[in-house]
Amino acid sequence: GNSVTQMEGPVTLSEEAFLTINCTYTATGYPSLFWYVQYPGEGLQLLLKATKADDKGSNKGFEATYRKETTSFHLEKGSVQVSDSAVYFCALIPINSGYALNFGKGTSLLVTP
Amino acid sequence: SQTIHQWPATLVQPVGSPLSLECTVEGTSNPNLYWYRQAAGRGLQLLFYSVGIGQISSEVPQNLSASRPQDRQFILSSKKLLLSDSGFYLCAWSVAGLASLETQYFGPGTRLLVL
Repeated sequence: GNSVTQMEGPVTLSEEAFLTINCTYTATGYPSLFWYVQYPGEGLQLLLKATKADDKGSNKGFEATYRKETTSFHLEKGSVQVSDSAVYFCALIPINSGYALNFGKGTSLLVTP
Repeated sequence: SQTIHQWPATLVQPVGSPLSLECTVEGTSNPNLYWYRQAAGRGLQLLFYSVGIGQISSEVPQNLSASRPQDRQFILSSKKLLLSDSGFYLCAWSVAGLASLETQYFGPGTRLLVL
C-alpha cells in the first residue's frame, strides 16, 4: 500500500538554526510528493511539491528533493524563524490511483528566539 | 484568485444530534472537492471526494454523508452524531484532472466536538 513516515517531534530549534524534517514513503509507481504546513488553529497550506524523481520543490526558504533511490522527500531550511513554528505534514498521492492524499502523522516544530 | 470557505469554524454538538458542515469555493469552475478529517492520534484521512455535481465517492465506511448540490458547494452531514465523529474537518479543492498531478488546496477547517 501507500504510506508516509515522518519524524513526529516535537522538534525544538533556536532561531536561525538549520532545519531537517525527514520523510520517507512507500508507494506503487512514482507518486507526487507534497509538504503541507499547519499553523495553530488553521487549515493546511501547501508549502511545496514535486511530481517526479529529482525534482526540487522550494518555497519561503524551504526545499525538498524527490529522491527515488531512497524513497525520500526530506524538508530543509537553512535558517528558521519563530514564525516557522507549526506542524509540517509530508504527503503523497499515487500516480493514476485514486484521489486521496496519504499523509504522514505530522512533525511539530517550535522555534524559540 | 481562488478561495475556499468553511463554516462554522467551531461546533459543539450533543451525541445523537444532526450535523451539517458547509464548504464553498470561489474563483474556479468544476473543481474536484474533498472532505478530510483530522482526528487526534489518527492523522488526516480522506472521507469523501466529488468530481462533479451530485457525484460523491466515499473512501471509508462511516456515520457521515456528503452532498454536492452546486458546482462549488460541498456539504458534510450526519443524521446522528457519535462521540467518535469529533475532530477537525477540512474541505479541499483541486483543479479537475489527474488527481496525482493536481494540488489540493485546503480550507480553514471546522473543529467539531461531540459531547
